[in-house]
Amino acid sequence: NAGVTQTPKFQVLKTGQSMTLQCAQDMNHNSMYWYRQDPGMGLRLIYYSASEGTTDKGEVPNGYNVSRLNKREFSLRLESAAPSQTSVYFCASSEIRIWNTEAFFGQGTRLTVV
Amino acid sequence: GDSVTQMEGPVTLSEEAFLTINCTYTATGYPSLFWYVQYPGEGLQLLLKATKADDKGSNKGFEATYRKETTSFHLEKGSVQVSDSAVYFCALKSDTNAGKSTFGDGTTLTVKP
Repeated sequence: NAGVTQTPKFQVLKTGQSMTLQCAQDMNHNSMYWYRQDPGMGLRLIYYSASEGTTDKGEVPNGYNVSRLNKREFSLRLESAAPSQTSVYFCASSEIRIWNTEAFFGQGTRLTVV
Repeated sequence: GDSVTQMEGPVTLSEEAFLTINCTYTATGYPSLFWYVQYPGEGLQLLLKATKADDKGSNKGFEATYRKETTSFHLEKGSVQVSDSAVYFCALKSDTNAGKSTFGDGTTLTVKP
């Protein structure tokens, strides 16, 4: 059972380049999330999708766009990367209608923008 | 809005020492509470959870009790091992926040032999 799969695991970009982080889950969850993790700042929500066809901004959406391609896949796009976007990015999924269920996380994408 | 405050780290302990990591929360609804663990180079994974007041979650020797009167969910383990070295996150999921989880900042635990 793969759970949540993120690609790529590592990426180095030059300032101004674009890229898309891919995420797929095989647990039939309705909701999916993108977080960034920075030292001393915990996890910050970038965007989320409560269900297929919907997306909403989280705490730190500036500089990012998302696409909920279908129920399984939720991608995060950086249109013009900046050094401030150097971070570890995590995708997660959960069952939004059941309040006591946990989130399941991918292994992360370590992004460096130079 | 919802918030989670965790004890600041890092925490360094000797093997077999007692561990407590404090966590308090603020929530508008009736939250479920979680502890997640993140091992080096990996994503977060659920360690334990509690879904209502006075519930105790437990796993791998770790325990936490949902205390509504003190809005707390402190993580404890009686005897830590080197393999417990990781980052620990307290989190809540509220029925009034569209199912989104709110995380604390994480506490880094290092256990020395």
